[in-house]
Amino acid sequence: DIQMTQSPSSLSASVGDRVTITCRASQNISTYLNWYQQKPGKAPKLLIYGASTLQSGVPSRFSGGGSGTYFTLTIRSLQLEDFATYYCQQSYNILMYTFGQGTKLGIK
Amino acid sequence: QVQLQESGPRLVKPSETLTLTCIVSGGSISSDYWTWIRQSPGKGLEWIGYLHDSGTTNFNPSLKSRVTISMDTSKKQFSLKLTSVTAADTAVYYCARLNVVIESGAMNWFDPWGQGILVTVSS
Repeated sequence: DIQMTQSPSSLSASVGDRVTITCRASQNISTYLNWYQQKPGKAPKLLIYGASTLQSGVPSRFSGGGSGTYFTLTIRSLQLEDFATYYCQQSYNILMYTFGQGTKLGIK
Repeated sequence: QVQLQESGPRLVKPSETLTLTCIVSGGSISSDYWTWIRQSPGKGLEWIGYLHDSGTTNFNPSLKSRVTISMDTSKKQFSLKLTSVTAADTAVYYCARLNVVIESGAMNWFDPWGQGILVTVSS
């Protein structure tokens, strides 16, 4: 299986801050990397697919980058509604999809 | 806009079969891949398997021996059966569409998701 490791596991930030979450894959996955946002009691919501393509309707303050084994999710100018848990997911191995363990973004 | 809704028993006894249904509204169920994913505190998000209306299926190897995913296109719904459940199968179960774009090198992602249903395995 392709292991996905996110860091940090949690972080605290303030409204207006810029934050970056990283995701590492245990092998080369090209740009087959997706990012999801999950709020308490809700289903995950797709933010970015193909490592850097913003899903329709997602604010432009979200951006994704990287390829191979190293990926980033950056949120520029945090808003209150952005405090949530974020997951990366590899879609390279379609026989076994795997997710990162999640990064909980809290208010400082 | 496609919406998904899970339904089924919220309490299942150990050793019995968990059966959930996902109803698709606002779009067609044909020519797409449909998937089940679960989330438990101990294991995070875990992909269970997917089904295409062509009959193509694929399952998480760790669950493959216990999982069946089927589809009823006339009712626009697909179902999950998980046999011989234990407490470790207690989780929130989500259905989702697996989008695949062949033109972009088969980029694929899960969207949309159902709201999820918490299933507890307990006697």
